[in-house]
Amino acid sequence: QKEVEQDPGPLSVPEGAIVSLNCTYSNSAFQYFMWYRQYSRKGPELLMYTYSSGNKEDGRFTAQVDKSSKYISLFIRDSQPSDSATYLCAMLDTGNQFYFGTGTSLTVIP
Amino acid sequence: EAGVAQSPRYKIIEKRQSVAFWCNPISGHATLYWYQQILGQGPKLLIQFQNNGVVDDSQLPKDRFSAERLKGVDSTLKIQPAKLEDSAVYLCASSSGPPILGYTFGSGTRLTVV
Repeated sequence: QKEVEQDPGPLSVPEGAIVSLNCTYSNSAFQYFMWYRQYSRKGPELLMYTYSSGNKEDGRFTAQVDKSSKYISLFIRDSQPSDSATYLCAMLDTGNQFYFGTGTSLTVIP
Repeated sequence: EAGVAQSPRYKIIEKRQSVAFWCNPISGHATLYWYQQILGQGPKLLIQFQNNGVVDDSQLPKDRFSAERLKGVDSTLKIQPAKLEDSAVYLCASSSGPPILGYTFGSGTRLTVV
């Protein structure tokens, strides 16, 4: 079993839709939970990070963590064509080691 | 603030050849990472430097991969000899403190081994 599981998609939605991206994990030692966005031929860039269970909102983006279920989500409201990218979940353990998901490819159709 | 610079952007080589990638981190960032990202997968850490010392190279295939960070600034990653399965994007990242606070990736070098 991989440490971090992520549905690879691809996901295609119309502009304005609400997008839900999800990851599950198996390691209880993970303490930080992050979402990275990766445009084609670019490196990943950090979107959001959370530490505890619950929700964290930043503009159109909401990160949700459920530590009891070992499940994290990223919601994108009012999705835009510029949101088209691959979204990677990532987790940081107590030794500052990153564990990345495989990424979900998202296309927002105008 | 200038980003993490990597070169070349693309490289195509035949198997058993050697190849080197270069990374220039953000100025002042003490920690530098090399990641391998195979198509359809998330990045996998190859090696982490703190200044010019190696912190973690447990996932670096040392029989063919080597990396150095002279003077604690630029870094090079070398593969010799290359195999077909080395085809991937090689990402360099740097940070100035705890990874969660400032972890910047470069655009990567896309390697194709034929």
